[in-house]
Amino acid sequence: GQQVMQIPQYQHVQEGEDFTTYCNSSTTLSNIQWYKQRPGGHPVFLIQLVKSGEVKKQKRLTFQFGEAKKNSSLHITATQTTDVGTYFCAANTGNQFYFGTGTSLTVIP
Amino acid sequence: GAVVSQHPSWVICKSGTSVKIECRSLDFQATTMFWYRQFPKQSLMLMATSNEGSKATYEQGVEKDKFLINHASLTLSTLTVTSAHPEDSSFYICSARWTGNEKLFFGSGTQLSVL
Repeated sequence: GQQVMQIPQYQHVQEGEDFTTYCNSSTTLSNIQWYKQRPGGHPVFLIQLVKSGEVKKQKRLTFQFGEAKKNSSLHITATQTTDVGTYFCAANTGNQFYFGTGTSLTVIP
Repeated sequence: GAVVSQHPSWVICKSGTSVKIECRSLDFQATTMFWYRQFPKQSLMLMATSNEGSKATYEQGVEKDKFLINHASLTLSTLTVTSAHPEDSSFYICSARWTGNEKLFFGSGTQLSVL
């Protein structure tokens, strides 16, 4: 299946600091999605990016799709304790969705 | 809206027995359902994709005869772990979508422990 890598695997930040996770695919993607999974919970859809170079914002979250449509990033400005969880990118290859390795975010109050 | 119900939430079984996990879309018709397996603090590994009324498409390395998937209706898919062994112990989670909507909606997952 599709290989989708994310870095870093873990990130601890002080509340108020920024956070970024990067997602990389070996192949060109038709689109990419981001999900958040809270501890003990299930993944919840955040956003989908479709166009090359696309940038979308949701309050403190900024999502970017690379020009070559092989990578993506999620940036959180001024993290809050409610941002705790694991963030996954997911590559949509048509009818399959392959999830990245995930970045687990811990926010220290 | 877009609720996916999965049960049981957890199950403990003896080695050699079979376990069935159900995934239901409560308020939409799920044209496609996906089954994932997740190990502690790891990613979701796609096991199979099932479209209503047709055979599931399994990912490489996933045994069809061991993980039986049935998507008999637009609101129900089942995963049966046959002759379960301790190495099958894991968190299994389903997701669903409908044609034209790219979002995946996830069930709450099933923690399987095989003794």
